[in-house]
Amino acid sequence: QKEVEQNSGPLSVPEGAIASLNCTYSDRGSQSFFWYRQYSGKSPELIMFIYSNGDKEDGRFTAQLNKASQYVSLLIRDSQPSDSATYLCAVNPSGAGSYQLTFGKGTKLSVIP
Amino acid sequence: GAVVSQHPSRVICKSGTSVKIECRSLDFQATTMFWYRQFPKQSLMLMATSNEGSKATYEQGVEKDKFLINHASLTLSTLTVASAHPEDSSFYICSAEVASGMADTQYFGPGTRLTVL
Repeated sequence: QKEVEQNSGPLSVPEGAIASLNCTYSDRGSQSFFWYRQYSGKSPELIMFIYSNGDKEDGRFTAQLNKASQYVSLLIRDSQPSDSATYLCAVNPSGAGSYQLTFGKGTKLSVIP
Repeated sequence: GAVVSQHPSRVICKSGTSVKIECRSLDFQATTMFWYRQFPKQSLMLMATSNEGSKATYEQGVEKDKFLINHASLTLSTLTVASAHPEDSSFYICSAEVASGMADTQYFGPGTRLTVL
């Protein structure tokens, strides 16, 4: 069973702080990794993807990948109340056809004004 | 970014009714689309992979005769819930695959909330 694990939270951070979201995956052959944001009652929205070890930055978001540790994280700098949502980690497991994704259950983030 | 639309956004129907949900890629062609279901406070569950011009591939436990998928063109996939029952009430979300170098990505439609009375 190829699994993606996330802490369900809720993770509460004060406005302006850095929020750190973590994700581990079981399939060592996984190639690409995605972070989605899902507001309550809405569908997921792609934030960013990463496929190489190291950091990838996009605005206030930084994704970090460590394939040796099978670990991917998302940092949100200068957190805003509008960042309050559930963050889904998704992994493209090796061997899956058509780039199917395996999703974690999500971490609920609450940014306190 | 790629835009995916879904219609209708919300459906309320009586038990035994068949419901059709459309998923469209608006500014790109999608060879592959995916259908997910999400129950309250749970994660996304992949139901099936829809490939243009061929039969859909269903995940284990998903009844192909109940959840009929048709991917007739590169911009449209439809999901029909046949003879819906209250236990089929859920949030149905489609996504479309976009080729993007090393990492093909999935962009999601806004979802369809189905309530079966």
